[in-house]
Amino acid sequence: AQKVTQAQTEISVVEKEDVTLDCVYETRDTTYYLFWYKQPPSGELVFLIRRNSFDEQNEISGRYSWNFQKSTSSFNFTITASQVVDSAVYFCALSVYGGATNKLIFGTGTLLAVQP
Amino acid sequence: DTAVSQTPKYLVTQMGNDKSIKCEQNLGHDTMYWYKQDSKKFLKIMFSYNNKELIINETVPNRFSPKSPDKAHLNLHINSLELGDSAVYFCASSPGLADPLGTQYFGPGTRLTVL
Repeated sequence: AQKVTQAQTEISVVEKEDVTLDCVYETRDTTYYLFWYKQPPSGELVFLIRRNSFDEQNEISGRYSWNFQKSTSSFNFTITASQVVDSAVYFCALSVYGGATNKLIFGTGTLLAVQP
Repeated sequence: DTAVSQTPKYLVTQMGNDKSIKCEQNLGHDTMYWYKQDSKKFLKIMFSYNNKELIINETVPNRFSPKSPDKAHLNLHINSLELGDSAVYFCASSPGLADPLGTQYFGPGTRLTVL
């Protein structure tokens, strides 16, 4: 069975703090992709990153960084020096092959509140 | 030049009515999807289409009928609306067979409220 677990339901930090959002996934597929999406209060789903199952290199993009570890089936997301604009629900998702298309299996999301 | 667009953004209707949501993408993608986000923010796939052909149907009640007139459009028609259908519906698209596990880009969502 495929599953994504985001154990942190809500996190509250003060601006400029670093924060890590946890994501643990389950799949028996050897080829898969992992994603993070951001859903700000305005409601849209914004793509942040995609990582394939064969690439365990960490990635950094500005204040965002991602740590992918197959040994622990985790794909964690760290925001450095958080800002109020980072306040959103963050979803981790697993992409598995579903025939001619894929499907995203989402975690339940982590609500991040950054206080000024 | 919105990549994935949906209309309407808000839909308020009475139980028992029939309604449609439209989705269009200008990314040149072959694959389109419908997802439902419930009141607890949980996102779940409903349907996927590849080049107008239904590929995934995730045990959605047959009151929901997607239609893809061409690969840039995927509409969702809902018959006999029920209170439990209240949710945000997201359309998405991805490249398709050229990149089978490719990134899905989402529309802005349609908030459906059934009274």
